[in-house]
Amino acid sequence: SQKIEQNSEALNIQEGKTATLTCNYTNYSPAYLQWYRQDPGRGPVFLLLIRENEKEKRKERLKVTFDTTLKQSLFHITASQPADSATYLCALSVMDSNYQLIWGAGTKLIIKP
Amino acid sequence: SQTIHQWPATLVQPVGSPLSLECTVEGTSNPNLYWYRQAAGRGLQLLFYSVGIGQISSEVPQNLSASRPQDRQFILSSKKLLLSDSGFYLCAWSVIVGQEQFFGPGTRLTVL
Repeated sequence: SQKIEQNSEALNIQEGKTATLTCNYTNYSPAYLQWYRQDPGRGPVFLLLIRENEKEKRKERLKVTFDTTLKQSLFHITASQPADSATYLCALSVMDSNYQLIWGAGTKLIIKP
Repeated sequence: SQTIHQWPATLVQPVGSPLSLECTVEGTSNPNLYWYRQAAGRGLQLLFYSVGIGQISSEVPQNLSASRPQDRQFILSSKKLLLSDSGFYLCAWSVIVGQEQFFGPGTRLTVL
């Protein structure tokens, strides 16, 4: 079966350290992989998009890697801050679903001061 | 700049009552529009999407329906709500299908 997995347990990181979140998927061939941030009671906010032929994408303190062989994306936040605390969602865009997004359940990130 | 509005922000409705949630987008033309539902601690479930006026694609069979009467207006409806319809409903838009989506603030629906 097809599925997207993100660590369901909250990730606790000390302020200033690098936070790394994982998104694994099975039986998909995504055209794009995206990461979003969601705060409690709010809609997700787009962060980064990486294409199937890209290995890495950066934006300020954020970095995304995409390994289509391992079927895995890693999302890094360097020099983490308490304001980075939120739930982070990954989403795949696959041809089989008319490129509509298929979403992981998200990982809650807690940055401790 | 583009903005997306959803209302109401919260809604408590009895089982069997009708539903109408509205979403409007400003600052862009011919957006792709989406309705999602998010259960607590779960990922987003795509309910409907629309690539143009009057064009609606349904992803999940259910007692909900959607309409797009104007280019930047997307409405989610139900004739009779079920307990299982409770959840957080999100509207979103995109320029290109499959690429970044921009979300509204959401509607928290509780069916009692």
